Amino acid sequence: KAGVTQTPRYLIKTRGQQVTLSCSPISGHRSVSWYQQTPGQGLQFLFEYFSETQRNKGNFPGRFSGRQFSNSRSEMNVSTLELGDSALYLCASSSGLERYEQYFGPGTRLTVT
Amino acid sequence: LAKTTQPISMDSYEGQEVNITCSHNNIATNDYITWYQQFPSQGPRFIIQGYKTKVTNEVASLFIPADRKSSTLSLPRVSLSDTAVYYCLVGDEDDYKLSFGAGTTVTVRA
Repeated sequence: KAGVTQTPRYLIKTRGQQVTLSCSPISGHRSVSWYQQTPGQGLQFLFEYFSETQRNKGNFPGRFSGRQFSNSRSEMNVSTLELGDSALYLCASSSGLERYEQYFGPGTRLTVT
Repeated sequence: LAKTTQPISMDSYEGQEVNITCSHNNIATNDYITWYQQFPSQGPRFIIQGYKTKVTNEVASLFIPADRKSSTLSLPRVSLSDTAVYYCLVGDEDDYKLSFGAGTTVTVRA
């Protein structure tokens, strides 16, 4: 069974621009979560979607948004990029039955200049 | 979510057993204990989860005392490839998010 895939793997954007990251969960998984990882703050939860509905949200500004499609694929959008948004963005999927057993993708490395 | 405390780093040698203890004094009755492993530039990987006593799988063992205020992840006969950051998480199965702390950086030397 294929794992979680994320595209693109690397991205360089300029401050003020917006960016969209994509995540394809493991086949059959209905829950997709997004995390941001930085050296200073570690791994932080952004939000989680289940059956196209946002079920939970972390403490991030409204510039960070997401959505989930009917095929469970998910996208994350960051608008008005700031230098501090440079990070590894990780997507994780789970069946939704055992929420603590999540399967992470390789991440998208975003650099904001 | 219950707060967890684990050592910042640990060093070991190939073939040794590594035990990482995580403290979670405020663990709630419905909370489970879960451990993840993360290699550099990769997403975390689920290792093991338990509620009480001992759980073992092909990768590790998890020991949980009766009071559940701490837990110990045991990695038998580590190799260089076990060098990674190990995270201890505690939370209810109804939690929809994972809260990662700083983790324990385990370095295995030849």
